Amino acid sequence: DSGVTQTPKHLITATGQRVTLRCSPRSGDLSVYWYQQSLDQGLQFLIQYYNGEERAKGNILERFSAQQFPDLHSELNLSSLELGDSALYFCASSPGDGQNSPLHFGNGTRLTVT
Amino acid sequence: AQSVTQLGSHVSVSEGALVLLRCNYSSSVPPYLFWYVQYPNQGLQLLLKYTTGATLVKGINGFEAEFKKSETSFHLTKPSAHMSDAAEYFCAVILNTGNQFYFGTGTSLTVIP
Repeated sequence: DSGVTQTPKHLITATGQRVTLRCSPRSGDLSVYWYQQSLDQGLQFLIQYYNGEERAKGNILERFSAQQFPDLHSELNLSSLELGDSALYFCASSPGDGQNSPLHFGNGTRLTVT
Repeated sequence: AQSVTQLGSHVSVSEGALVLLRCNYSSSVPPYLFWYVQYPNQGLQLLLKYTTGATLVKGINGFEAEFKKSETSFHLTKPSAHMSDAAEYFCAVILNTGNQFYFGTGTSLTVIP
């Protein structure tokens, strides 16, 4: 058990809809990272937050947004969903702001867009 | 430009045989390097990491990796494969120029009984 909790585990929704994925980092970790994993794109970095502030942005679409709350949990919002958004979405946390701190991953949320 | 490259998207070995999964990075300055394993329907789990110091790094489950600056490589090995090693393996780097993790495309390891 990595200590990173993601909910829900599975999500099935229709095109055009909006969903929210939630992540609770390990106790004491200040950084939260979001990744998208799909068969054709591999593991894609989306965005990182550190202590409530956005720190780095990767290949995140404009339809997607995220935030980290004062209690350090994070939410990833996906809107105007398309079939291609179907993927596994992982949250990871680390104590600091990158450098040599390894990431600890949650078990992911599997999103299916129909 | 790719920061980390994993050669071979699929590797098959017989049970008891040597496991060798290849990872090369592109950086003029030695980065921080990691190997992760992903079992079906699970998140990524840290196997081992290299930051500074000894170039041969030992991880969990009998895996180890050697950092070779001259070859810009960080290959993962295990002397004797076990059926339970069947999984997806990811190499990752943090470049010293920033704080982002860059993951390779992954190598799927199959262990043949």
